[in-house]
Amino acid sequence: DARVTQTPRDKVTEMGQEVTMRCQPILGHNTVFWYRQTMMQGLELLAYFRNRAPLDDSGMPKDRFSAEMPDATLATLKIQPSEPRDSAVYFCASRGGRTYEQFFGPGTRLTVL
Amino acid sequence: RKEVEQDPGPFNVPEGATVAFNCTYSNSASQSFFWYRQDCRKEPKLLMSVYSSGNEDGRFTAQLNRASQYISLLIRDSKLSDSATYLCVPLSGGYNKLIFGAGTRLAVHP
Repeated sequence: DARVTQTPRDKVTEMGQEVTMRCQPILGHNTVFWYRQTMMQGLELLAYFRNRAPLDDSGMPKDRFSAEMPDATLATLKIQPSEPRDSAVYFCASRGGRTYEQFFGPGTRLTVL
Repeated sequence: RKEVEQDPGPFNVPEGATVAFNCTYSNSASQSFFWYRQDCRKEPKLLMSVYSSGNEDGRFTAQLNRASQYISLLIRDSKLSDSATYLCVPLSGGYNKLIFGAGTRLAVHP
């Protein structure tokens, strides 16, 4: 049963610390998305990659967030320095082939104190 | 106007009831649509894809009205396990992004 995996599942950190979240897309999927979900804003697209190249990161605060895909099996989202307003659930999703359906990982629940 | 608008609910219905959610979208170029369900503290999961005028899968029926730019989801014979938030998701004109609505909460009670 192919699934998107994300680590860590939960992260509690203090303001100013660096946070790195990791995602392993479904094997063979060539497009990876990062979303953030809060009660107030719902699900927001932060960035996405196709064939490891960033296509759109307009939803991401540029000064503190960065997203990379060092290889086809790993995507990372980094926040440096973290702030309390970054507290949210961060989801990774992947898509493959000729379909448009995206499949989500379980998310990383981030709390910045 | 928001790209996707859904009634947030909650819809409180008894088991066995039929319930329908509507969703309106603003981008007339959207060609494909999806319904995702999201349980509390879980990730969104794909429920149904709609590439033409509609789709049916068991107790779930989605219908698309392109002229009025709305899509509906009908759930028949509601089960307790149907309790979740249902997200309406049109595919953007760029064919890369899914635009998520805020969701409609459904609570099915005994």
